[in-house]
Amino acid sequence: AQSVTQPDIHITVSEGASLELRCNYSYGATPYLFWYVQSPGQGLQLLLKYFSGDTLVQGIKGFEAEFKRSQSSFNLRKPSVHWSDAAEYFCAVLRGASKLTFGTGTRLQVTL
Amino acid sequence: GAGVSQSPSNKVTEKGKDVELRCDPISGHTALYWYRQRLGQGLEFLIYFQGNSAPDKSGLPSDRFSAERTGESVSTLTIQRTQQEDSAVYLCASSLGLLPNEQFFGPGTRLTVL
Repeated sequence: AQSVTQPDIHITVSEGASLELRCNYSYGATPYLFWYVQSPGQGLQLLLKYFSGDTLVQGIKGFEAEFKRSQSSFNLRKPSVHWSDAAEYFCAVLRGASKLTFGTGTRLQVTL
Repeated sequence: GAGVSQSPSNKVTEKGKDVELRCDPISGHTALYWYRQRLGQGLEFLIYFQGNSAPDKSGLPSDRFSAERTGESVSTLTIQRTQQEDSAVYLCASSLGLLPNEQFFGPGTRLTVL
């Protein structure tokens, strides 16, 4: 069965430090991969997506992610975290025509 | 332009009552999705509408859940005889319906069943 695993439930980083959020997927075909961010009381906002081509994708707010087929991973990175990045981050894989399968999320806390 | 909107933003109901949640997708988006997000969990797919095709209802957890969509506009998710385990945030999303697609999410409706 297709699935998405985010092994880190909660991560705390200092403002200005680098960030990497892990995502592993299980999917038989070429995956379409997404990272969404959810701030408190807000809906989900797309950070970036991978469909094909360059395996390093750039997103909004200074985020990037790298697709590694050999590791079935799509980790999200940011070189320098800002306090406003504190939120919950979800990795997702598109199954078929319609269904986004989400990981359970990683809650990011940023200390000043 | 306007994003996906949902109403109400919060709904508190008593166990056994029926509730209706509304979603207004982005104009021009042919595809509409409903997801459920339980506390501390990721999103679960519920149902998908694409144009005039039969909806994909494979994610609906029980026959108490149903959804309708009028053409390519508003959708209503109905939960009958609500149970406490139905308490969750219900998120609606829409997309252009082209593969692969980016889904745009609304702010959600927080449902609390007492």
